[in-house]
Amino acid sequence: DIQMTQSPSSLSASVGDRVTITCRASQSISSYLNWYQQKPGKAPNLLIYGTSGLQSGVPSRFSGSGSGTDFSLTINSLQPEDSATYYCQQSYSTPYTFGQGTKLEIK
Amino acid sequence: QVQLVQSGAEVKKPGASVKVSCKASGYTFSSYGISWVRQAPGQGLEWLGWISADNGKTNYAQKFQGRVTVTTDTSMSTAYMELRGLRSDDRAVYYCARALTTVTHDCLDYWGQGTLVTVSS
Repeated sequence: DIQMTQSPSSLSASVGDRVTITCRASQSISSYLNWYQQKPGKAPNLLIYGTSGLQSGVPSRFSGSGSGTDFSLTINSLQPEDSATYYCQQSYSTPYTFGQGTKLEIK
Repeated sequence: QVQLVQSGAEVKKPGASVKVSCKASGYTFSSYGISWVRQAPGQGLEWLGWISADNGKTNYAQKFQGRVTVTTDTSMSTAYMELRGLRSDDRAVYYCARALTTVTHDCLDYWGQGTLVTVSS
């Protein structure tokens, strides 16, 4: 199975800040990397597909980049509603594994 | 609008089976796959398996091979996930999600609300 490792596991930032979450795959996954946002008690919500594709309805302050084994999710101009846990997921080969999650707190 | 509505919470005894349903609406059911993902309390996301609603082809995580079966009823636009031989560590929220597969990407673009499965004697 492909292992996905996110960092940091948690972070705290202020409204208006720019934050970056990284995700590393244990082997190359080309660009088959997705990002999801999950708020407490809710189902995950797709933010970014195929490394950098912005899902319809997702604010443009969210962006993704990377290729091969190293990927990142950047949130520009943080908003209070961005407080959530973020997960990366590889869809290169089954089982489609997720990172362990990054909990983002807004100060 | 696309919606996936799952069946309600279940409480099962160890060794029993559970079958969770996922009713889709707002899109052509047979044009997409359905994946199943679970989340244990306070933990991350774990992919269980996938089914093509077009031809019934399935793909399961090795960890769950032999214990999980995913099926669809296209006449009802509904997918099902059955997990057998339940153990206490199967306690989790189980999600269905629409699987969008293209040449360039493969993602879960719509999710059900989740079904809590509790395993307790």
